[in-house]
Amino acid sequence: GQNIDQPTEMTATEGAIVQINCTYQTSGFNGLFWYQQHAGEAPTFLSYNVLDGLEEKGRFSSFLSRSKGYSYLLLKELQMKDSASYLCAVVNYGGATNKLIFGTGTLLAVQP
Amino acid sequence: DAMVIQNPRYQVTQFGKPVTLSCSQTLNHNVMYWYQQKSSQAPKLLFHYYDKDFNNEADTPDNFQSRRPNTSFCFLDIRSPGLGDAAMYLCATGGFGYEQYFGPGTRLTVT
Repeated sequence: GQNIDQPTEMTATEGAIVQINCTYQTSGFNGLFWYQQHAGEAPTFLSYNVLDGLEEKGRFSSFLSRSKGYSYLLLKELQMKDSASYLCAVVNYGGATNKLIFGTGTLLAVQP
Repeated sequence: DAMVIQNPRYQVTQFGKPVTLSCSQTLNHNVMYWYQQKSSQAPKLLFHYYDKDFNNEADTPDNFQSRRPNTSFCFLDIRSPGLGDAAMYLCATGGFGYEQYFGPGTRLTVT
């Protein structure tokens, strides 16, 4: 079966650091995406990890451990506009195309 | 520059009345996907096209159909919408890499 777990909700303070975890058990793995989704809008790309380790991109970093089936998204210097849902998605490659298997998302609320 | 466009952004239809949602792309990507996303849930893949090859997910109801007349356009047809079909419908494209590019979505209300 396919299973991707994330915390449902998190709250953090403006200017702080927050880590959003994602664990997965999937039949195939060709990398892991993090997407940001504001309410009523489409998901937007944040990061992609296929090898173990940390990928840093400005205020956002993403970590992957394939042996543990684990990833996290780290957001630094939180801003109010970072309040959104954060979706973890595993790439499952099936023949000519790839599919994304999404977690249910973590709703992050940034407070003043 | 809009790359994946969905029309309309908001659609209201009556129970049982057929409805069509539209997606177009300027990326010239081979793959187009349709997802259904209900409130506070993960996007759920309904089906996708690789060029003209249609790939249906095993658990997608027969009520949902799709057409792709050319590379740029893809349509989602809901033949007889039920109240449970009210959701955000997301179109996405995929090219050479693994990333998928999402449109803004169409929020469907069924009355």
